[in-house]
Amino acid sequence: AQSVTQPDIHITVSEGASLELRCNYSYGATPYLFWYVQSPGQGLQLLLKYFSGDTLVQGIKGFEAEFKRSQSSFNLRKPSVHWSDAAEYFCAANTNAGKSTFGDGTTLTVKP
Amino acid sequence: EAGVAQSPRYKIIEKRQSVAFWCNPISGHATLYWYQQILGQGPKLLIQFQNNGVVDDSQLPKDRFSAERLKGVDSTLKIQPAKLEDSAVYLCASSIRPPSTDTQYFGPGTRLTVL
Repeated sequence: AQSVTQPDIHITVSEGASLELRCNYSYGATPYLFWYVQSPGQGLQLLLKYFSGDTLVQGIKGFEAEFKRSQSSFNLRKPSVHWSDAAEYFCAANTNAGKSTFGDGTTLTVKP
Repeated sequence: EAGVAQSPRYKIIEKRQSVAFWCNPISGHATLYWYQQILGQGPKLLIQFQNNGVVDDSQLPKDRFSAERLKGVDSTLKIQPAKLEDSAVYLCASSIRPPSTDTQYFGPGTRLTVL
């Protein structure tokens, strides 16, 4: 069965520090991959998505993610974190049939 | 462009009661989804509509949950009767086309507490 794993439940970084959130997927073929952010009381907002081509994708708010087929990973990165980035981050994968599977999320805390 | 609208935002009910949630997707979006997000977990797809037809309801507990999308626009999700484990945030999302590559736009969710 398809699955998405986010190994880190909670990450704390200092403002201005770099960030990497991990995501691993298990699928029969390469899925379509997404990162979403969810602020308290808000719905999910798409940060970026990968379908094919360049394995490094740029998103909104200065985020980027790199697809690594050999590691079945799609890690999210940001070079310098801002206090407003504190939120919960979800990795998701879609199959060709359109079925969406989400990871359980990583909560990001930003220290001043 | 207006986003996905959901109501109510919060609902508290006793177990065995019934509850209904409403969703109005972005205009022109043919695909509509209902997700259940339990605290500490990622969203889990309950049901997916393409226009007014069901595409996937494999994870919908059909003995107590039902959903409809009459006229292919807004949708209602109902729970009857509710159980304690139904406490969660219910998210509605929409996309222009089926979601393989298309972006899903999420509403703010309805937080359900079952006592």
